[in-house]
Amino acid sequence: GAGVSQSPRYKVAKRGQDVALRCDPISGHVSLFWYQQALGQGPEFLTYFQNEAQLDKSGLPSDRFFAERPEGSVSTLKIQRTQQEDSAVYLCASSLPTSGSHETQYFGPGTRLLVL
Amino acid sequence: RKEVEQDPGPFNVPEGATVAFNCTYSNSASQSFFWYRQDCRKEPKLLMSVYSSGNEDGRFTAQLNRASQYISLLIRDSKLSDSATYLCVVHPNFGNEKLTFGTGTRLTIIP
Repeated sequence: GAGVSQSPRYKVAKRGQDVALRCDPISGHVSLFWYQQALGQGPEFLTYFQNEAQLDKSGLPSDRFFAERPEGSVSTLKIQRTQQEDSAVYLCASSLPTSGSHETQYFGPGTRLLVL
Repeated sequence: RKEVEQDPGPFNVPEGATVAFNCTYSNSASQSFFWYRQDCRKEPKLLMSVYSSGNEDGRFTAQLNRASQYISLLIRDSKLSDSATYLCVVHPNFGNEKLTFGTGTRLTIIP
């Protein structure tokens, strides 16, 4: 079956520009995560949704970052007034969790963002 | 101190050799532990979960030592296709599903 898909795969933005990154999770997966991976580093958590509810946004680095999942399926990560330090790969993951246990997270291919 | 620490490498290992990676974590309440594999310019993929009793999957063996807050991965009879970055991953606690990743250990298998 189809895995997690993300678009665009690559994005070049001028500093100050707003960008929107899309994630299509695996069908039926309740949980959706966004991670940021800088070059040479492991992914770092940004935010987490269970259905349409954003349960944890503690990893968002500033108020320029905003994520939504209005219908509990597709999610969009928006970065306003991009800065050079926002350059990274943005990974989306989804899982089919049950309360109190951990389910495998399946990652999408990521969006590579370069801010000039 | 980072929550999950691993030696970034690189490890350059001849084909057929055995290689071991280690990882330490700082949150003693952490519940679940994993090794993920990430190929160059690809997404991370789950390699195996790690249990206190140790677990083996073919040439791969993972071990958890809760007392020392230490996780290991052993690869036997390494193959060229094992070349990748290996990410040590911790699930901090129930009720919070986020994963905490180490920086990854880069492995290159040399023919």
